[in-house]
Amino acid sequence: LAKTTQPISMDSYEGQEVNITCSHNNIATNDYITWYQQFPSQGPRFIIQGYKTKVTNEVASLFIPADRKSSTLSLPRVSLSDTAVYYCLVGGPHNTDKLIFGTGTRLQVFP
Amino acid sequence: GAVVSQHPSWVICKSGTSVKIECRSLDFQATTMFWYRQFPKQSLMLMATSNEGSKATYEQGVEKDKFLINHASLTLSTLTVTSAHPEDSSFYICSVTGLAAGVQETQYFGPGTRLLVL
Repeated sequence: LAKTTQPISMDSYEGQEVNITCSHNNIATNDYITWYQQFPSQGPRFIIQGYKTKVTNEVASLFIPADRKSSTLSLPRVSLSDTAVYYCLVGGPHNTDKLIFGTGTRLQVFP
Repeated sequence: GAVVSQHPSWVICKSGTSVKIECRSLDFQATTMFWYRQFPKQSLMLMATSNEGSKATYEQGVEKDKFLINHASLTLSTLTVTSAHPEDSSFYICSVTGLAAGVQETQYFGPGTRLLVL
């Protein structure tokens, strides 16, 4: 399973765009990249998943360069409620493949 | 995504007792469920992988006789912490994947169960 490296913490202000980059140098050909958000005392919530290039949904965008050794989660116009821990994970294409959580990035949004 | 529930949401017990935590997939046939443990200020640690109708696969360092997992149906998995001790106090979270999921689907997590052993 590929190991991921993320910044431990980030600060931002309301209304700003936040980009969190994750490094996964040993990503395998079949691995997908998935991001989760976790609030205190809650289970992680799925945000977005991608394999290459760019994926966008209603809450975030995921940018993956051609070499796939890193990925960037982009949160447009964050609000106070986006304060949470964000985890980047890489894993196989099968939904039964286990996921190994790294340290995550603690995002603090200020008013 | 799948709706996952856990019961109880929190539990306090005396040292030496056993505690059962339920994980239910409410709208999804969960052929595979995962159990995680999370200590304060730390990341989630995978404890075991549970496939419906078969024995769970435990991660290295997780005692299978202490953390009993039963996945008897496509909608229910249980984790029993036997003879709990204060060091077992943690936040236990389950996740589900299953038949309806394709490549774009992934693990969906329950809300977690907070266990405090006195």
